[in-house]
Amino acid sequence: DAGITQSPRYKITETGRQVTLMCHQTWSHSYMFWYRQDLGHGLRLIYYSAAADITDKGEVPDGYVVSRSKTENFPLTLESATRSQTSVYFCASSDPGGRGETQYFGPGTRLLVL
Amino acid sequence: LAKTTQPISMDSYEGQEVNITCSHNNIATNDYITWYQQFPSQGPRFIIQGYKTKVTNEVASLFIPADRKSSTLSLPRVSLSDTAVYYCLVGVLISGGYNKLIFGAGTRLAVHP
Repeated sequence: DAGITQSPRYKITETGRQVTLMCHQTWSHSYMFWYRQDLGHGLRLIYYSAAADITDKGEVPDGYVVSRSKTENFPLTLESATRSQTSVYFCASSDPGGRGETQYFGPGTRLLVL
Repeated sequence: LAKTTQPISMDSYEGQEVNITCSHNNIATNDYITWYQQFPSQGPRFIIQGYKTKVTNEVASLFIPADRKSSTLSLPRVSLSDTAVYYCLVGVLISGGYNKLIFGAGTRLAVHP
């Protein structure tokens, strides 16, 4: 089915471990985004990508690494997980056809760092 | 970037019309106003978007006055399933072509029987 998917949906890890969250979209959207959402707060942008092999930092990029070798995939890696990275992570994509394009969000990944 | 201000929470009852107002005093000429809805344990979902005057779709209406310093999301005849967090965003079209969206805390709408 077309859409945007994230895996895993739930993840428990330990401090210091490397974790990779996957994001896949089937629309061939050029832009993809990673956000984190902490309890009681809105979403904060971590990284975004304008196209394959083009990525840039968002509001809170420290401790995260991204790559985009293919248009449809945008993995987010926590190189050495910390407790402060416990959060819900949302991936989104958009295809700017002009002003006011919208972003389409995945279902989220709940990450718990012990 | 334009900052938005909206109520933290609202309560309503089934069948009523709900109006959520958002202020964005520093909105720029190129900015669009977009509203998203988020249910628990789900990602935000686009509801409606507008630039000026009024926009209506099958879900909601968006009213934007001439000065564009505020906007009002109107949900007609809400049901229990409309209980969610509603985000008002003012998007900036970055050169290279995407809307940098700034999510605030949103408005938590609770619809009661």
